[in-house]
Amino acid sequence: QKEVEQDPGPLSVPEGAIVSLNCTYSNSAFQYFMWYRQYSRKGPELLMYTYSSGNKEDGRFTAQVDKSSKYISLFIRDSQPSDSATYLCAMSARGGATNKLIFGTGTLLAVQP
Amino acid sequence: DARVTQTPRHKVTEMGQEVTMRCQPILGHNTVFWYRQTMMQGLELLAYFRNRAPLDDSGMPKDRFSAEMPDATLATLKIQPSEPRDSAVYFCASGLALTGVSGANVLTFGAGSRLTVL
Repeated sequence: QKEVEQDPGPLSVPEGAIVSLNCTYSNSAFQYFMWYRQYSRKGPELLMYTYSSGNKEDGRFTAQVDKSSKYISLFIRDSQPSDSATYLCAMSARGGATNKLIFGTGTLLAVQP
Repeated sequence: DARVTQTPRHKVTEMGQEVTMRCQPILGHNTVFWYRQTMMQGLELLAYFRNRAPLDDSGMPKDRFSAEMPDATLATLKIQPSEPRDSAVYFCASGLALTGVSGANVLTFGAGSRLTVL
């Protein structure tokens, strides 16, 4: 079993829809949670970063972390065709040499105009 | 904009040949990661360095892969001999590992090196 699980999709939604992307994880040592966005044939780029549990909002994007359930989510409001990409969750434990970043396999999102 | 530079962007080679991929991390970043991305496995961590010292290379097939940081501006990933199953996109990423209690790595990725082994 992988440390981080993510539904690969693809997920297709109409423009303007609310999108929910999710990851589950098994390592309770994870403290840092990130979402990366990857456009086709590009490298991943950091979208949002949260520490421990709670919510974080940035424009149309909201990241949620539920450590008790080992579950994280990314919500995209008013989705746009330009949001079409692969979304990868990533996590790392706290401090020291264990802070390597582990990624989910990514969810491919297509927003239809 | 500061960015991570990877070369080559594309490489086609024959099985058994040596392949070397290079990465120039962002100036001032003290961690460098090598990932391999395939459709089936997603992003797999191969190796990572902190302050040029290798911290973890457990994700690499040791018999054929090697990763080094000869200096702070260059990281290399070498495959010798290459095999068709090594075909993938290889990403280098650099970050700044904060000291003290917050040890998160927020990484900036390069554009990747797409390797095809025939």
